[in-house]
Amino acid sequence: AQSVTQLGSHVSVSEGALVLLRCNYSSSVPPYLFWYVQYPNQGLQLLLKYTSAATLVKGINGFEAEFKKSETSFHLTKPSAHMSDAAEYFCAVKREWGGNMLTFGGGTRLMVKP
Amino acid sequence: NAGVMQNPRHLVRRRGQEARLRCSPMKGHSHVYWYRQLPEEGLKFMVYLQKENIIDESGMPKERFSAEFPKEGPSILRIQQVVRGDSAAYFCASSPYGQVKETQYFGPGTRLLVL
Repeated sequence: AQSVTQLGSHVSVSEGALVLLRCNYSSSVPPYLFWYVQYPNQGLQLLLKYTSAATLVKGINGFEAEFKKSETSFHLTKPSAHMSDAAEYFCAVKREWGGNMLTFGGGTRLMVKP
Repeated sequence: NAGVMQNPRHLVRRRGQEARLRCSPMKGHSHVYWYRQLPEEGLKFMVYLQKENIIDESGMPKERFSAEFPKEGPSILRIQQVVRGDSAAYFCASSPYGQVKETQYFGPGTRLLVL
């Protein structure tokens, strides 16, 4: 069974600092990978996704992620954090032949300090 | 274009009652997915439906839970005889064609509290 691990359930950065949220997946075949953001009491919004095209994926709000097959990673980054980035971030995976459901990591809560 | 709609947004039930959660997918989407988010946890897949068909219910508890997506109207997730452990946020997502590469668009969720 595939799984997704997000290292660090809580990450705190200063406004203007680099944001790095880690995601590793376990899969015997290249997966499809997604990052979603969840603001308090709201649903999930797609930030970006990897579907076997370019390994560096750019998303909304200045976020990007790089698919590294050798490291089975799909870390999310943003060069400069804004206060409005404070939210919970979820990494998720789907496999070509694994059904159409998303398997989510446990989430990382990002806090941005002024 | 309206997004995925869920109602009610908040639902309070006493143990033993029934809970009905509704999901209207985005216009043009015929594939619906239900996920559950327990407190302080990530989302877990429950069931995947297409109009009038259950495609995958591998994440659904075997008892008390059922789901449907009729030809007309919203998808319904039904929980009978609720227990405190059912307290969670239930999210619905939709996609147009059911392809693996597709984005699933999420609704705002229904937060169920069982007293």
